[in-house]
Amino acid sequence: NIVMTQSPKSMSISVGDRVTMNCKASQNVGNNIAWYQQKPGQSPKLLIYYASNRYTGVPDRFTGGGYGTDFTLTINSVQAEDAAFYYCQRIYNSPPWTFGGGTKLELK
Amino acid sequence: EVQLVESGGGLVQPGRSMKLSCAASGFTFNNYDMAWVCQAPKKGLEWVATISYDGSSTYYRDSVKGRFTISRDNAKSTLYLQMDSLRSEDTATYYCARQITIAAVFDYWGQGVMVTVSS
Repeated sequence: NIVMTQSPKSMSISVGDRVTMNCKASQNVGNNIAWYQQKPGQSPKLLIYYASNRYTGVPDRFTGGGYGTDFTLTINSVQAEDAAFYYCQRIYNSPPWTFGGGTKLELK
Repeated sequence: EVQLVESGGGLVQPGRSMKLSCAASGFTFNNYDMAWVCQAPKKGLEWVATISYDGSSTYYRDSVKGRFTISRDNAKSTLYLQMDSLRSEDTATYYCARQITIAAVFDYWGQGVMVTVSS
């Protein structure tokens, strides 16, 4: 099974900063990656699919990139409401549809 | 508006069974694959099981194969998860999610229901 590894596990940044988090697949997955945001006490929300496609209603400060085994989620000009856990997930193809361990984004 | 509302969670002893339900509304239920995703306390997300739009195909993560059964009633727009032989490691919040067939992304999620397996 393909393993998804996210880094860093947590990060603390200031409002207005730019932040990039990483997701590494143990095998080449092409562009078959999604990103989700989960705020405390809430269910996850889809942000990005096929590595770089922003889901409906997602602000354009969220940008996904990468191909193959290495992927990034960048948030430009972070807002207070962006404090959350972020998870990558291998999509498409066949199961299991594995998630990464998550990155916790905290605001200073 | 798409809504997914889970029910049926609670406290259950190890080895016993529990059945979760997910009532769907706001979309044509029988056009979509559906899934269960779980999250143990303070842990990350884990895909559990998926059922195809017509119920003809089911998929499970290895740790629940033979113990959990995903099913659906398209006439009632309801998804189910029958969980048998429960273990302490099954303790988690279980989310019902709509799964886009080709991409396999989960585009809508329920609020989740807690299942605690403990004696």
